Amino acid sequence: KAGVTQTPRYLIKTRGQQVTLSCSPISGHRSVSWYQQTPGQGLQFLFEYFSETQRNKGNFPGRFSGRQFSNSRSEMNVSTLELGDSALYLCASSSKDRSPGEQYFGPGTRLTVT
Amino acid sequence: QKEVEQNSGPLSVPEGAIASLNCTYSDRGSQSFFWYRQYSGKSPELIMFIYSNGDKEDGRFTAQLNKASQYVSLLIRDSQPSDSATYLCAVRGGSYIPTFGRGTSLIVHP
Repeated sequence: KAGVTQTPRYLIKTRGQQVTLSCSPISGHRSVSWYQQTPGQGLQFLFEYFSETQRNKGNFPGRFSGRQFSNSRSEMNVSTLELGDSALYLCASSSKDRSPGEQYFGPGTRLTVT
Repeated sequence: QKEVEQNSGPLSVPEGAIASLNCTYSDRGSQSFFWYRQYSGKSPELIMFIYSNGDKEDGRFTAQLNKASQYVSLLIRDSQPSDSATYLCAVRGGSYIPTFGRGTSLIVHP
């Protein structure tokens, strides 16, 4: 069974631009969560979607948004990029609703904001 | 502020020894506990999860949970150099939002 895939793997953007990241979960998984990982803050929860509904949202500004499609694929968008948004963005999928701990991570998208 | 604390390490153990990794958490309402392994430059990989007090074993790995003392630990028996990685502890409470520790770096030397 194929794992979680994320595109693109690497991205360089300029301050003020916006970016959209994509995640395809493991086949049959309906829960997708997004995380930001930085050396300074560690791994931080952004949001979780299940069956196209946002279930939880972490403590991030409204510039961070996401959505999930009927095929469970998910996208996250960051508008008005700031230098501090440079990070590894990880997507994880789970077969269970509201169980984001039992999840499987994708390889991540490395975003660099200059 | 819900916190999950881990010693950043590095924890250095010889090959074949038992590695003991610890994690404490602040939220008494925490319900489930997870250990992830993250190799440098890679994404986290789920190793084990535990919900109830006591021990849970899976191969060379044992997770131990003590809710009264609010700590969870991971024991790795017969440590191998391939176990060298950062180990992340994650805790989930009633809000279903997981909180991750910063991780403990483990080095297993031959």
